[in-house]
Amino acid sequence: GAVVSQHPSWVICKSGTSVKIECRSLDFQATTMFWYRQFPKQSLMLMATSNEGSKATYEQGVEKDKFLINHASLTLSTLTVTSAHPEDSSFYICSAPGLAGGNSYNEQFFGPGTRLTVL
Amino acid sequence: AQSVSQHNHHVILSEAASLELGCNYSYGGTVNLFWYVQYPGQHLQLLLKYFSGDPLVKGIKGFEAEFIKSKFSFNLRKPSVQWSDTAEYFCAVKAAAAGNKLTFGGGTRVLVKP
Repeated sequence: GAVVSQHPSWVICKSGTSVKIECRSLDFQATTMFWYRQFPKQSLMLMATSNEGSKATYEQGVEKDKFLINHASLTLSTLTVTSAHPEDSSFYICSAPGLAGGNSYNEQFFGPGTRLTVL
Repeated sequence: AQSVSQHNHHVILSEAASLELGCNYSYGGTVNLFWYVQYPGQHLQLLLKYFSGDPLVKGIKGFEAEFIKSKFSFNLRKPSVQWSDTAEYFCAVKAAAAGNKLTFGGGTRVLVKP
Protein backbone atom coordinates (compact mmCIF):
# COMPACT_ATOMS: atom_id res chain seq x y z
CA GLY A 1 0.00 0.00 0.00
CA ALA A 2 0.89 3.66 -0.24
CA VAL A 3 3.22 5.08 2.40
CA VAL A 4 3.02 8.40 4.17
CA SER A 5 5.91 9.56 6.29
CA GLN A 6 6.19 12.30 8.87
CA HIS A 7 9.21 14.08 10.23
CA PRO A 8 10.09 14.47 12.99
CA SER A 9 8.47 11.64 14.90
CA TRP A 10 8.74 13.62 18.09
CA VAL A 11 9.84 17.10 19.06
CA ILE A 12 10.26 19.00 22.30
CA CYS A 13 10.42 22.76 22.15
CA LYS A 14 10.28 25.79 24.39
CA SER A 15 7.20 27.91 24.67
CA GLY A 16 7.16 30.69 22.10
CA THR A 17 9.16 28.89 19.45
CA SER A 18 7.86 27.58 16.15
CA VAL A 19 7.92 23.97 15.05
CA LYS A 20 7.64 22.60 11.53
CA ILE A 21 6.27 19.13 10.82
CA GLU A 22 6.65 17.53 7.41
CA CYS A 23 4.31 15.07 5.78
CA ARG A 24 5.40 13.22 2.66
CA SER A 25 3.68 10.78 0.35
CA LEU A 26 6.51 8.45 -0.56
CA ASP A 27 5.29 6.51 -3.55
CA PHE A 28 2.33 8.47 -4.81
CA GLN A 29 1.26 12.02 -5.46
CA ALA A 30 -1.26 13.78 -3.29
CA THR A 31 -2.91 17.02 -4.31
CA THR A 32 -4.70 16.95 -0.98
CA MET A 33 -3.42 16.06 2.45
CA PHE A 34 -5.16 16.20 5.79
CA TRP A 35 -3.82 17.26 9.16
CA TYR A 36 -5.31 15.81 12.34
CA ARG A 37 -4.68 16.38 15.99
CA GLN A 38 -5.05 13.66 18.60
CA PHE A 39 -5.08 14.45 22.30
CA PRO A 40 -4.22 11.67 24.75
CA LYS A 41 -6.94 9.05 24.95
CA GLN A 42 -9.06 10.96 22.46
CA SER A 43 -9.94 10.60 18.83
CA LEU A 44 -8.48 12.28 15.79
CA MET A 45 -9.82 15.73 15.06
CA LEU A 46 -9.42 17.15 11.58
CA MET A 47 -7.59 20.46 11.71
CA ALA A 48 -7.25 21.38 8.08
CA THR A 49 -7.11 20.21 4.52
CA SER A 50 -3.90 21.01 2.70
CA ASN A 51 -4.26 21.72 -1.01
CA GLU A 52 -1.36 21.71 -3.43
CA GLY A 53 -1.13 25.01 -5.20
CA SER A 54 -3.75 26.78 -3.15
CA LYS A 55 -4.58 27.80 0.40
CA ALA A 56 -5.40 25.27 3.03
CA THR A 57 -8.94 25.05 4.32
CA TYR A 58 -9.24 25.05 8.09
CA GLU A 59 -11.89 23.48 10.27
CA GLN A 60 -13.97 25.66 12.50
CA GLY A 61 -12.08 26.72 15.60
CA VAL A 62 -8.61 26.10 14.18
CA GLU A 63 -6.48 29.25 14.01
CA LYS A 64 -4.94 29.51 10.57
CA ASP A 65 -2.31 31.98 11.77
CA LYS A 66 -1.33 29.60 14.51
CA PHE A 67 -1.13 26.48 12.38
CA LEU A 68 0.46 27.41 9.08
CA ILE A 69 0.09 24.88 6.31
CA ASN A 70 2.07 24.86 3.10
CA HIS A 71 1.54 22.24 0.40
CA ALA A 72 4.80 22.82 -1.41
CA SER A 73 4.62 19.97 -3.91
CA LEU A 74 2.57 16.93 -4.86
CA THR A 75 4.39 14.88 -2.24
CA LEU A 76 5.00 17.32 0.61
CA SER A 77 2.84 19.25 3.03
CA THR A 78 4.16 21.05 6.09
CA LEU A 79 2.43 22.15 9.27
CA THR A 80 4.13 24.88 11.28
CA VAL A 81 2.96 25.47 14.81
CA THR A 82 3.85 29.10 15.42
CA SER A 83 4.62 30.53 18.84
CA ALA A 84 3.91 27.18 20.42
CA HIS A 85 2.47 26.99 23.90
CA PRO A 86 2.05 24.02 26.26
CA GLU A 87 -1.59 23.64 25.24
CA ASP A 88 -0.38 22.90 21.69
CA SER A 89 1.27 19.74 22.96
CA SER A 90 -0.41 16.92 21.12
CA PHE A 91 0.00 14.16 18.56
CA TYR A 92 -0.23 15.52 15.01
CA ILE A 93 -1.09 13.10 12.24
CA CYS A 94 -1.26 13.67 8.52
CA SER A 95 -2.95 11.59 5.88
CA ALA A 96 -3.20 11.54 2.13
CA PRO A 97 -5.70 9.89 -0.17
CA GLY A 98 -4.27 7.45 -2.64
CA LEU A 99 -5.36 4.51 -4.71
CA ALA A 100 -5.09 1.26 -2.79
CA GLY A 101 -3.27 -1.28 -4.95
CA GLY A 102 -5.69 -2.80 -7.42
CA ASN A 103 -8.55 -0.91 -5.88
CA SER A 104 -10.27 1.91 -7.65
CA TYR A 105 -11.40 3.49 -4.41
CA ASN A 106 -9.50 6.31 -2.84
CA GLU A 107 -8.26 5.31 0.57
CA GLN A 108 -6.64 7.56 3.13
CA PHE A 109 -3.16 6.56 4.19
CA PHE A 110 -1.94 7.85 7.50
CA GLY A 111 1.48 8.94 8.61
CA PRO A 112 2.99 7.65 11.85
CA GLY A 113 2.33 10.92 13.65
CA THR A 114 4.50 13.55 15.34
CA ARG A 115 4.40 13.97 19.07
CA LEU A 116 4.89 17.62 20.02
CA THR A 117 5.72 18.59 23.57
CA VAL A 118 5.92 22.27 24.38
CA LEU A 119 7.65 23.10 27.65
CA ALA B 1 -24.47 18.01 15.53
CA GLN B 2 -23.69 15.25 13.12
CA SER B 3 -21.24 12.79 14.56
CA VAL B 4 -19.76 9.34 14.83
CA SER B 5 -20.27 7.53 18.14
CA GLN B 6 -18.48 4.54 19.53
CA HIS B 7 -20.32 3.12 22.48
CA ASN B 8 -17.50 1.56 24.42
CA HIS B 9 -14.43 3.49 25.49
CA HIS B 10 -12.66 0.48 26.97
CA VAL B 11 -13.12 -3.23 26.46
CA ILE B 12 -11.23 -5.92 28.33
CA LEU B 13 -11.56 -9.52 27.32
CA SER B 14 -9.68 -12.79 27.32
CA GLU B 15 -8.12 -14.54 24.37
CA ALA B 16 -10.56 -16.55 22.26
CA ALA B 17 -13.47 -14.40 23.38
CA SER B 18 -15.64 -12.76 20.75
CA LEU B 19 -15.43 -9.03 20.18
CA GLU B 20 -18.06 -6.61 18.99
CA LEU B 21 -17.51 -2.86 18.91
CA GLY B 22 -20.41 -0.58 18.22
CA CYS B 23 -20.36 2.40 15.87
CA ASN B 24 -23.23 4.69 15.02
CA TYR B 25 -23.29 7.75 12.84
CA SER B 26 -25.81 10.48 12.31
CA TYR B 27 -25.23 11.49 8.70
CA GLY B 28 -27.93 11.03 6.12
CA GLY B 29 -27.36 10.29 2.49
CA THR B 30 -24.38 8.56 1.00
CA VAL B 31 -21.71 7.41 3.44
CA ASN B 32 -18.46 5.53 3.22
CA LEU B 33 -17.59 3.67 6.43
CA PHE B 34 -14.24 2.62 7.82
CA TRP B 35 -12.69 0.88 10.77
CA TYR B 36 -9.08 1.71 11.62
CA VAL B 37 -6.80 0.11 14.17
CA GLN B 38 -3.92 1.75 16.02
CA TYR B 39 -1.57 -0.69 17.70
CA PRO B 40 0.52 0.68 20.56
CA GLY B 41 3.16 3.01 19.19
CA GLN B 42 2.08 2.54 15.60
CA HIS B 43 0.14 4.54 13.06
CA LEU B 44 -3.43 4.05 11.97
CA GLN B 45 -4.09 1.10 9.72
CA LEU B 46 -7.23 0.36 7.77
CA LEU B 47 -9.03 -2.78 8.94
CA LEU B 48 -11.91 -2.68 6.53
CA LYS B 49 -14.19 -0.35 4.64
CA TYR B 50 -17.69 -0.22 3.19
CA PHE B 51 -18.55 1.76 0.09
CA SER B 52 -21.47 -0.15 -1.42
CA GLY B 53 -22.74 -3.65 -2.11
CA ASP B 54 -22.77 -6.47 0.41
CA PRO B 55 -23.33 -4.87 3.82
CA LEU B 56 -21.23 -7.53 5.51
CA VAL B 57 -17.65 -6.54 4.95
CA LYS B 58 -14.65 -8.74 5.68
CA GLY B 59 -11.36 -7.12 6.52
CA ILE B 60 -7.88 -8.09 7.53
CA LYS B 61 -6.91 -10.19 10.56
CA GLY B 62 -10.28 -11.92 10.78
CA PHE B 63 -12.31 -8.78 11.39
CA GLU B 64 -15.68 -8.10 9.80
CA ALA B 65 -18.27 -5.36 10.03
CA GLU B 66 -21.92 -5.10 9.16
CA PHE B 67 -23.53 -1.99 7.74
CA ILE B 68 -27.13 -1.66 8.86
CA LYS B 69 -28.50 1.37 7.06
CA SER B 70 -31.74 1.52 9.01
CA LYS B 71 -29.82 1.67 12.28
CA PHE B 72 -27.06 3.99 11.03
CA SER B 73 -24.63 1.44 12.39
CA PHE B 74 -21.39 -0.18 11.33
CA ASN B 75 -20.38 -2.56 14.10
CA LEU B 76 -17.04 -4.35 14.08
CA ARG B 77 -16.77 -8.02 15.04
CA LYS B 78 -14.18 -10.71 15.49
CA PRO B 79 -15.24 -14.20 16.57
CA SER B 80 -12.09 -15.05 18.51
CA VAL B 81 -9.58 -12.43 19.59
CA GLN B 82 -5.89 -12.86 20.21
CA TRP B 83 -3.55 -11.02 22.53
CA SER B 84 -2.14 -9.25 19.47
CA ASP B 85 -5.52 -7.59 18.89
CA THR B 86 -4.79 -5.30 21.84
CA ALA B 87 -5.08 -1.87 20.24
CA GLU B 88 -7.30 1.14 19.84
CA TYR B 89 -10.04 0.88 17.26
CA PHE B 90 -11.57 3.85 15.46
CA CYS B 91 -14.71 3.97 13.42
CA ALA B 92 -14.73 6.66 10.73
CA VAL B 93 -17.29 7.98 8.31
CA LYS B 94 -16.92 9.92 5.12
CA ALA B 95 -20.24 11.54 4.31
CA ALA B 96 -21.33 13.70 1.46
CA ALA B 97 -23.37 15.63 4.02
CA ALA B 98 -20.12 16.49 5.82
CA GLY B 99 -18.18 17.59 2.79
CA ASN B 100 -16.67 14.14 2.30
CA LYS B 101 -14.26 14.66 5.17
CA LEU B 102 -13.30 11.68 7.26
CA THR B 103 -14.85 12.00 10.72
CA PHE B 104 -13.66 9.72 13.48
CA GLY B 105 -15.46 8.24 16.43
CA GLY B 106 -13.96 8.57 19.89
CA GLY B 107 -12.13 5.27 19.70
CA THR B 108 -12.33 2.08 21.76
CA ARG B 109 -9.34 0.73 23.63
CA VAL B 110 -9.32 -3.04 23.54
CA LEU B 111 -7.18 -5.02 25.93
CA VAL B 112 -6.95 -8.74 25.35
CA LYS B 113 -5.62 -10.65 28.33
CA PRO B 114 -3.47 -13.68 27.51
